[in-house]
Order: sequence, then structure tokens, then C-alpha cells
Amino acid sequence: DTAVSQTPKYLVTQMGNDKSIKCEQNLGHDTMYWYKQDSKKFLKIMFSYNNKELIINETVPNRFSPKSPDKAHLNLHINSLELGDSAVYFCASSREGGKPQHFGDGTRLSIL
Amino acid sequence: AQSVTQLGSHVSVSEGALVLLRCNYSSSVPPYLFWYVQYPNQGLQLLLKYTTGATLVKGINGFEAEFKKSETSFHLTKPSAHMSDAAEYFCAVTLYSGGGADGLTFGKGTHLIIQP
Repeated sequence: DTAVSQTPKYLVTQMGNDKSIKCEQNLGHDTMYWYKQDSKKFLKIMFSYNNKELIINETVPNRFSPKSPDKAHLNLHINSLELGDSAVYFCASSREGGKPQHFGDGTRLSIL
Repeated sequence: AQSVTQLGSHVSVSEGALVLLRCNYSSSVPPYLFWYVQYPNQGLQLLLKYTTGATLVKGINGFEAEFKKSETSFHLTKPSAHMSDAAEYFCAVTLYSGGGADGLTFGKGTHLIIQP
């Protein structure tokens, strides 16, 4: 069974569109995260949630909106996509802050 | 705020040789340190972690790392490189905030190349 699963794996879309990426974890963890990996492979935290509550919201444009319907899910919705949003987005989870994080396989977003 | 510096964006070693990937961190409080490996088109896999206690930590696939507070370092080593070790390696730091949800701060990664 996949511990942290993201869908879709690939997302190709036009500038200006709205898209969502879904993430689910079956590890029973309380904390979930979204990271962005750019073309140079640099990873940066975007958001973190603890028990469905937003804890970290780094300097991310407000076109990005995370939503956590329950502890096992953290979805990422992106409005008005821009060329600079092209990246790989990783979802991760951990038992609590400071504990090792388990990562999904990533969603490669390409904006045409 | 914490930060991580990985020296060398690319490291090349011969199969069977020692692997040494360098990581230095800065943190105002004792950090939690991690090494992750990323194979092409995959997510990140935890290699090993340091939280408290023994400063020499052993991980998967024969890797180990030593936490040296005086040098603010957490270098990753493996005595004998294998072709399957070729991947991108990331050092990361976080601060435990008592049940919070601190994200990881990553270094820029080191691409490990294994020469046959």
C-alpha cells in the first residue's frame, strides 16, 4: 500500500487555468505538508497542516489554496496558473512536527 | 531561522570508493537533521535522521552520518559506493516545536555520480 499518494502524477495545462492536486496518506499521521521543487531541484516548504489546521503558510501567492477535509487528506488548489508555477509539487506527512516526513512521488505541473 | 548548505552540487566517485557528502547547518536552537535521497522521477526517501542522543547515526543502504555540533555539520558517508547509489541527496533541518508542524528546510542537493 502506498503511504502518501498524490494525483495526478503529471498535469499539463494552459496559463490562466485553475487546477487541483490531491494528496492522501494512510499512515495515521497528524501533520501534512506541501513542498515545491523547482527546475534546479530546490525544495521549499509551502504549507503545513496539523490536525486540519493551517500552521505554516510561507510566502506563497494567494492563488495557491490548500484544503484539508480531514487528517488524511491535504489538497492543493491553484487559481490562474502562471508559467512560473511549473514545478514538481510534493506532498508529505509526519506523525508530528520534527518527526521524519514521508513523501509522495510528486506531481509534475507543466504550464504551456 | 535555520539554513542548510551542501558543499558540491555534483560529487563523482568510483564504484567501491568512499562516499562523502557534506552538509553544514545553521540554527539558533538544537536542530533535528535529516538526509533524504531522491531517485529520478520519484519522491524523497528518508536515509537517516538525528534528533537527540548518539551523534553517529546509521541509516539505510549502508549510509551513516555524524552530528558535530562544534562544526555545525552533518556529513553523510558510505564506505563503499555502489552503482545503485547514484541519485540526488538532500540534507534537511527542522526545529521541533512541541507538536507543531515545522516544515523542513532543505539544502540545494548534491548529485552523486558513480563511475564504473
